[in-house]
Amino acid sequence: RKEVEQDPGPFNVPEGATVAFNCTYSNSASQSFFWYRQDCRKEPKLLMSVYSSGNEDGRFTAQLNRASQYISLLIRDSKLSDSATYLCVVNPFYNTDKLIFGTGTRLQVFP
Amino acid sequence: EPEVTQTPSHQVTQMGQEVILRCVPISNHLYFYWYRQILGQKVEFLVSFYNNEISEKSEIFDDQFSVERPDGSNFTLKIRSTKLEDSAMYFCASSEDGSYNEQFFGPGTRLTVL
Repeated sequence: RKEVEQDPGPFNVPEGATVAFNCTYSNSASQSFFWYRQDCRKEPKLLMSVYSSGNEDGRFTAQLNRASQYISLLIRDSKLSDSATYLCVVNPFYNTDKLIFGTGTRLQVFP
Repeated sequence: EPEVTQTPSHQVTQMGQEVILRCVPISNHLYFYWYRQILGQKVEFLVSFYNNEISEKSEIFDDQFSVERPDGSNFTLKIRSTKLEDSAMYFCASSEDGSYNEQFFGPGTRLTVL
């Protein structure tokens, strides 16, 4: 089983749509969880950390389900500028600070 | 907003040559990292660095690789004898507190080995 698994997409959605991405991770001891955004040939940019209680930042909502080892990202009211690859990222152990990246889910928002 | 910077943006080299990739982490950050991303693949961890020493390295980070913080601001990755398969985007990242804390990435250096 891959350490971090994501549906590669692409997800093609119209402006204004709501879209959800899911991610599963294999290590139940994983400590920290993040969503990053990556534009073509650019660096990963931190979108949001994912907390156990779930968290929201404007149009973006992240959820964590530790029992199912599952993370989600919901984007409401999609904008053209949301088109990018969304990376699910996990810090796998308590005594390491390396990040394990998923392969990413590609989102294309069309007018 | 403070950011991580990297130079050069693109490096072309011949197989077997040494390259040094440079990074300036965010100034109050204490933990530094190198990652790489081969075209079309996922981002992979190479090495983490704290308190002037390597704290963790991956299997990719073999004897051909080394890191250094030569002064108070720069953080470098050296590849001693480049191979074709070293062609990738190399990202430097930094974080304030290490574990549990968010890592911020530089714009990357695209390394092409011919």
